[in-house]
Amino acid sequence: DAGVIQSPRHEVTEMGQEVTLRCKPISGHDYLFWYRQTMMRGLELLIYFNNNVPIDDSGMPEDRFSAKMPNASFSTLKIQPSEPRDSAVYFCASSSAQGWIGELFFGEGSRLTVL
Amino acid sequence: DAKTTQPPSMDCAEGRAANLPCNHSTISGNEYVYWYRQIHSQGPQYIIHGLKNNETNEMASLIITEDRKSSTLILPHATLRDTAVYYCIVRGGSGNTGKLIFGQGTTLQVKP
Repeated sequence: DAGVIQSPRHEVTEMGQEVTLRCKPISGHDYLFWYRQTMMRGLELLIYFNNNVPIDDSGMPEDRFSAKMPNASFSTLKIQPSEPRDSAVYFCASSSAQGWIGELFFGEGSRLTVL
Repeated sequence: DAKTTQPPSMDCAEGRAANLPCNHSTISGNEYVYWYRQIHSQGPQYIIHGLKNNETNEMASLIITEDRKSSTLILPHATLRDTAVYYCIVRGGSGNTGKLIFGQGTTLQVKP
């Protein structure tokens, strides 16, 4: 299996620009998670989906952030407009239907720098 | 979900066993203990999880105390590639939402 695939791996943009991060989960997995990691705050759960439906978005920092999962094989995390404090590594993870007691598989992350 | 407490850092000599402790005194009866690790610049990697019995897999062993208030992850023969941040997480239980909440973890430095 190819694992969780994220793109882009690196993104440098200017403040105010729209940023879209993409994730392809492992085929057959029913749960998809978006995390953000910074030195100051560590790994934070932003939102997660079950069967393409957002279950908990309480970690989404503000209205500038939105996430969608139009089908079982694709999810996006969008920031509009972006700000320097959004600079972080964004991880996507997926797990199977038993994921609440099982293993999460993480992608390699998308490193975002907002200037 | 119950909170966990881990030492911020530990050292281990290469080839020796690394024993990483975790306190989770508020764990409830149906919550699991998970361990993940994150090697620099990579996504977190699952290691092992358990409920109340000790568990072993090809990567590590998990020892959970009888009262389940603490646990120890054991890497039997640490190598330089085991240098990473190790996260102990308690997850599950009634009303579980599937969340996996990471704390600050323990930075393990394996030295030659």
